[in-house]
Amino acid sequence: AQSVTQPDIHITVSEGASLELRCNYSYGATPYLFWYVQSPGQGLQLLLKYFSGDTLVQGIKGFEAEFKRSQSSFNLRKPSVHWSDAAEYFCAVGAGGTSYGKLTFGQGTILTVHP
Amino acid sequence: NAGVTQTPKFQVLKTGQSMTLQCAQDMNHEYMSWYRQDPGMGLRLIHYSVGAGITDQGEVPNGYNVSRSTTEDFPLRLLSAAPSQTSVYFCASSSGQGGYTFGSGTRLTVV
Repeated sequence: AQSVTQPDIHITVSEGASLELRCNYSYGATPYLFWYVQSPGQGLQLLLKYFSGDTLVQGIKGFEAEFKRSQSSFNLRKPSVHWSDAAEYFCAVGAGGTSYGKLTFGQGTILTVHP
Repeated sequence: NAGVTQTPKFQVLKTGQSMTLQCAQDMNHEYMSWYRQDPGMGLRLIHYSVGAGITDQGEVPNGYNVSRSTTEDFPLRLLSAAPSQTSVYFCASSSGQGGYTFGSGTRLTVV
């Protein structure tokens, strides 16, 4: 069974500082990996995804993530955080074919940004 | 395009009542899913569909039914509401070539 672990429930950073959110997954084959962001009271917005190819993936809002198969990780990074990045971030793993609909999410990481 | 539209946005039910959460997408996406979101637990998959007429169970299907008679619509039915079904419900759709597009959610309270 597939699973996702986000080890950090809550992270606080200062505006302008760099950010890394951790994500570890468990999946038997090559996974599809996603990062989503959710602002309070809102739905989820896709930041970036990895299906195959280049292991460094660029997303929206200046975010990037790196797929490391040997570490079963897909950590999200941003070089300089803005106050508007404060939100909850979810990592998700899925598969292709008829299992494409079966996304498994991590528990989420809440990001607080101090001015 | 409206994307993924969920109705209603808020609902209060009494224990034992039934209701249907509506989900419609206008992107001609094959894949649609229902999730529930509870604090500290992320999103958990209830049911999903890979095309019209095809549905399957996710991680937490008990107490919920779905059907997919058209590509656009994927309603979620609560058969007999229980307080444990108090949650925020999200519908999502995808073409299979990218990530899922999520609706804005339905906040359900069962009293």
